[in-house]
Amino acid sequence: DAGVTQSPTHLIKTRGQQVTLRCSPKSGHDTVSWYQQALGQGPQFIFQYYEEEERQRGNFPDRFSGHQFPNYSSELNVNALLLGDSALYLCASSLAPGRYSPLHFGNGTRLTVT
Amino acid sequence: EDQVTQSPEALRLQEGESSSLNCSYTVSGLRGLFWYRQDPGKGPEFLFTLYSAGEEKEKERLKATLTKKESFLHITAPKPEDSATYLCAVLAPRDNYGQNFVFGPGTRLSVLP
Repeated sequence: DAGVTQSPTHLIKTRGQQVTLRCSPKSGHDTVSWYQQALGQGPQFIFQYYEEEERQRGNFPDRFSGHQFPNYSSELNVNALLLGDSALYLCASSLAPGRYSPLHFGNGTRLTVT
Repeated sequence: EDQVTQSPEALRLQEGESSSLNCSYTVSGLRGLFWYRQDPGKGPEFLFTLYSAGEEKEKERLKATLTKKESFLHITAPKPEDSATYLCAVLAPRDNYGQNFVFGPGTRLSVLP
């Protein structure tokens, strides 16, 4: 049973560039959420996708955008990268929002902005 | 605004020394409280879900309990392999058929042999 997979595992970008991170959900899951985790902190919610729509968004600027595809996989795009965007980006999948099921996480993409 | 705090920030135990981690929360319309374990460089690993006050869940040396204001993760006779950061998160429903998990900052547990 494949869990949540994320790619790439590590990424180094320059300030001002754009980045795309990818996520495939756990088999049987149709909802994908993205989180940003700075070193020593808990994950911070970016947004959630269900039925190819953004259903909920955290306190992140419009530079952060996403997409969900018909096969439930998802992308996170960050434009105009800032040094402060350096973090571990976690993708989590779950059952439909009304099921109140736990999130299952991938191992993340470590983004370094120089 | 939904908030989650965890204490202590860090905890060092000797192998076999039992203790408890605390997760305090304020949320409107709690739909679940979740405990996760996170190892360095990895994503959080799901441990437990608690849905109502009074509920308890156990897994090996871990036991989670829930009240209306807080949750405890009890660790009995820990081993060095229990060393990790333990995160709790609360879930509340939102509009537009959305939901938002709010995570606490975590407790870093070190178990010394």
